[in-house]
Amino acid sequence: EVQLVESGGGLVQPGGSLRLSCAASGFTFSSYNMNWVRQAPGKGLEWVSYISTTSSTIYYADSVKGRFTISRDNAKNSLYLQMNSLRAEDTAIYYCARGDYGGIWGQGTMVTVSS
Amino acid sequence: EIVLTQSPGTLSLSPGERATLSCRASQSVSSYLAWYQQKPGQAPRLLIYDASNRATGIPARFSGSGSGTDFTLTISSLEPEDFAVYYCQQRSNWPKTFGQGTKVEIK
Repeated sequence: EVQLVESGGGLVQPGGSLRLSCAASGFTFSSYNMNWVRQAPGKGLEWVSYISTTSSTIYYADSVKGRFTISRDNAKNSLYLQMNSLRAEDTAIYYCARGDYGGIWGQGTMVTVSS
Repeated sequence: EIVLTQSPGTLSLSPGERATLSCRASQSVSSYLAWYQQKPGQAPRLLIYDASNRATGIPARFSGSGSGTDFTLTISSLEPEDFAVYYCQQRSNWPKTFGQGTKVEIK
């Protein structure tokens, strides 16, 4: 079964850090570009970051540039998002999504930034 | 940044009716536009990619059209499971952007 499973979310204080993971299974992970997309409570979808198959091309939304770092380990079939200097407005469900369009999505992991 | 504007914000329809959702881009995105469906508590699901191609397993009642700046998602005859929020997304330019969503609710 093709699957993406996110983990690593939780409650963190403003200014803190979290590292999200996305474990892929059921397909050749190294063949797909990957994305992180987030959704604040009760709000719409916001694309966060993109990484190409070999990590040679990376993009970020302006709202997270300089604070978040996307990476991947093709040997471990895993995608990561290192989030530093977290703000209240980063509170959201974070999804990993496969492909140039989000053909497959994980179930999401909740990140809450609050004191 | 390309802004995608979806209309209407809410569409109130009955099962069996036709739904027409619009997505307008602030500049041309060629055909690099997708539509997603999201139900409460679930992740989004890809319906249409490259403006008019149905994703794997998507029923034929869903169709997409348009190019450039104006796009339409049509649901030919609403089934009970189609009541949800629909988002468009462009991948023509970075950053990728989403529309604000259209909620299709039961009338």
